[in-house]
Amino acid sequence: KNEVEQSPQNLTAQEGEFITINCSYSVGISALHWLQQHPGGGIVSLFMLSSGKKKHGRLIATINIQEKHSSLHITASHPRDSAVYICAVKGGSNYKLTFGKGTLLTVNP
Amino acid sequence: DAGVIQSPRHEVTEMGQEVTLRCKPISGHDYLFWYRQTMMRGLELLIYFNNNVPIDDSGMPEDRFSAKMPNASFSTLKIQPSEPRDSAVYFCASSLVGGYDEQFFGPGTRLTVL
Repeated sequence: KNEVEQSPQNLTAQEGEFITINCSYSVGISALHWLQQHPGGGIVSLFMLSSGKKKHGRLIATINIQEKHSSLHITASHPRDSAVYICAVKGGSNYKLTFGKGTLLTVNP
Repeated sequence: DAGVIQSPRHEVTEMGQEVTLRCKPISGHDYLFWYRQTMMRGLELLIYFNNNVPIDDSGMPEDRFSAKMPNASFSTLKIQPSEPRDSAVYFCASSLVGGYDEQFFGPGTRLTVL
């Protein structure tokens, strides 16, 4: 079973700061997802990665397959970025995702 | 498209009662996933379907849980009998191509079993 660890568990930042959230997993994977869950509970998929780097606006996700590690970066953070960020990995031949416990990000104005 | 639709949004029931949660995936999506989220365990996959066929139900906690997908536009998750430890938020999600594609989540059903 893949163990997915996220760090930090909680993160508080000031508006404008550069944010990094980390995700490590124990077993080789074929894909990694970053999800965002807002205070109202809705979940949105941000990225799906299998290698390299992806960028959407102020969000950047990277993955290092050899080190079994991924990072989610937020540049010029804003209070509306406040949410729980969840890492999920897919390994093997089926489509089952294993989730990290999430990182609670609070961005203060 | 309206996105993934779940009903009800909130359900409060008493221990021992049957609970049925419903999900309508995005039209054209071949994969449907049922997840459960609790404070203690986070998000967990319960079961997923491909083209209406259950593929992996290893996450279903016990025989009290069952899921069906009678057609491409409808799925149910049933708990019978319900117990207080089943209290959680249940999410349904759909995608075009399983874990290699973005999953679109429904708003969730918050279940409280008294």
